[in-house]
Amino acid sequence: DTAVSQTPKYLVTQMGNDKSIKCEQNLGHDTMYWYKQDSKKFLKIMFSYNNKELIINETVPNRFSPKSPDKAHLNLHINSLELGDSAVYFCASRRAAPYNEQFFGPGTRLTVL
Amino acid sequence: QQQVKQSPQSLIVQKGGISIINCAYENTAFDYFPWYQQFPGKGPALLIAIRPDVSEKKEGRFTISFNKSAKQFSLHIMDSQPGDSATYFCAASYSGNTPLVFGKGTRLSVIA
Repeated sequence: DTAVSQTPKYLVTQMGNDKSIKCEQNLGHDTMYWYKQDSKKFLKIMFSYNNKELIINETVPNRFSPKSPDKAHLNLHINSLELGDSAVYFCASRRAAPYNEQFFGPGTRLTVL
Repeated sequence: QQQVKQSPQSLIVQKGGISIINCAYENTAFDYFPWYQQFPGKGPALLIAIRPDVSEKKEGRFTISFNKSAKQFSLHIMDSQPGDSATYFCAASYSGNTPLVFGKGTRLSVIA
């Protein structure tokens, strides 16, 4: 009964390839996010979705395209992968207002060779 | 511009001691301040959170102290245990569906 799940756990690929990461939450939350954690462990927001609609895009290259087929799912597709894309990507979901708690998935470690 | 500044970067504490991690924020619109705990290979897990209308919140061995005028908040871990060894992140957000703004993390090592 995992609250926020991501697949795959690990992703190793060559530069220039296209890859996708999937995220699902079973908490009934309306808002979902993608965060990137770099090699220094710094966590930074990439995208915010509310009710399947994009509400925040934090100056992420347009090679990154999130898609939300329904409120429980938020996927991340990355085109033309670059070395600098290597990081751990976390999906998170958030309780509706007035609550603020965000729950994170286990992460996807992406390595671009 | 780093909106949430966290210190120290790393911390070594003896078993049974008190671990203290500090954060300072800049945006006075922030109204939610959580702490997350992250073990290697895992996602951040919500530990404890506070809103600016209270100055302290305690849950078990974990306490948040909040100073609104100084725009600072801190995490105290009492009776620190080796199992507490992890990276701790402070964060902040404001009302609505806004994402969290994280500090850079503190790597805590509790030694026996």
